[in-house]
Amino acid sequence: KNQVEQSPQSLIILEGKNCTLQCNYTVSPFSNLRWYKQDTGRGPVSLTIMTFSENTKSNGRYTATLDADTKQSSLHITASQLSDSASYICVVRALTGANNLFFGTGTRLTVIP
Amino acid sequence: DADVTQTPRNRITKTGKRIMLECSQTKGHDRMYWYRQDPGLGLRLIYYSFDVKDINKGEISDGYSVSRQAQAKFSLSLESAIPNQTALYFCATSDSGPDNEQFFGPGTRLTVL
Repeated sequence: KNQVEQSPQSLIILEGKNCTLQCNYTVSPFSNLRWYKQDTGRGPVSLTIMTFSENTKSNGRYTATLDADTKQSSLHITASQLSDSASYICVVRALTGANNLFFGTGTRLTVIP
Repeated sequence: DADVTQTPRNRITKTGKRIMLECSQTKGHDRMYWYRQDPGLGLRLIYYSFDVKDINKGEISDGYSVSRQAQAKFSLSLESAIPNQTALYFCATSDSGPDNEQFFGPGTRLTVL
């Protein structure tokens, strides 16, 4: 069964600290993996996309990694800011099937001053 | 102007009432989607449409119907609302390319009393 699991469910960190969010998946055959950021009261917005051949990709203070062998991805946030407070959702796309997107339940990050 | 808009943004209704949520997009995408989001369950697909003449059921279509009035418009109806349909509803669009990034609207918060 195609599944996407994220951990932790929630996380509280101090402003300026780093953190890492995890995403494990069983989706097969794999096409790509996206991390979305969802601010409270808003729709999710894509942060980065990882394809099979990519191990690391950065977007400012956000760095995503992908290990396609172990089917794991992480999102590392450096020097956190209050504006990083949001839910982060991992979405995996399968190569086949019309309805081929699988969503994680998200990690709720709170950055406190 | 926002690329994906949803109306209304908030709605409170009573059990048994008919409700329509509307979505419009200016991104020129062929594909449109309706999701609901519940705490702890993440985003779940209700219906999706790959073009004006195409409608497909998603993971949780029971109790919902949709209409694709034009390439830019996709509406979701609850024929007889019930309390467990209280949720946050998101419309999204995407192109048909391999990346398949979803662009989400701002969401509609629906409460069924």
